[in-house]
Amino acid sequence: AQTVTQSQPEMSVQEAETVTLSCTYDTSESDYYLFWYKQPPSRQMILVIRQEAYKQQNATENRFSVNFQKAAKSFSLKISDSQLGDAAMYFCACEGGSQGNLIFGKGTKLSVKP
Amino acid sequence: IAGITQAPTSQILAAGRRMTLRCTQDMRHNAMYWYRQDLGLGLRLIHYSNTAGTTGKGEVPDGYSVSRANTDDFPLTLASAVPSQTSVYFCASSEEVYGYNEQFFGPGTRLTVL
Repeated sequence: AQTVTQSQPEMSVQEAETVTLSCTYDTSESDYYLFWYKQPPSRQMILVIRQEAYKQQNATENRFSVNFQKAAKSFSLKISDSQLGDAAMYFCACEGGSQGNLIFGKGTKLSVKP
Repeated sequence: IAGITQAPTSQILAAGRRMTLRCTQDMRHNAMYWYRQDLGLGLRLIHYSNTAGTTGKGEVPDGYSVSRANTDDFPLTLASAVPSQTSVYFCASSEEVYGYNEQFFGPGTRLTVL
């Protein structure tokens, strides 16, 4: 069964600093997609960044970037120049195979200190 | 505005009552999903539908049923609610089942079963 593990239940970062959220996953698929979703207090799930497993180049979206290590099955999210609006729950997710659903980690709650 | 709507936003329900959570998308996506979100557990798949007329069971289907009569609607029914079904429920959709299947989420329904 596919699994996604986020080992940091909570993280804290100072405004304008950089923080890295960890994620490891396990899948038997050879080609798949990985995602990071942000869930602010509004509860809305917002896609932050995506990575195609067959692409070795790490995905980047403005201040958000990933460190994708396929052999190690690691997919960490780096947030640069952290802003107060980055405070949220962050979920790592992997494609779930034949059902097409996403397998989610348990989430990391990020706090940003002014 | 294109997207996914869910109703109701929140609901308090007596145990044993029947409840249907509504989900409608206007993006003409083939696949739709129901997840439940519980503190410390992330999001878990309840049921899914890869196309109109077909449905399947996810990780935690017991006590829930779904139907997919058309492309746009994917209601989730609790036949006889129990307190363990207290959760936040998210409906999601994606254009395709396989490959790049970025999922778009509705705003969620907070359900409390007493």
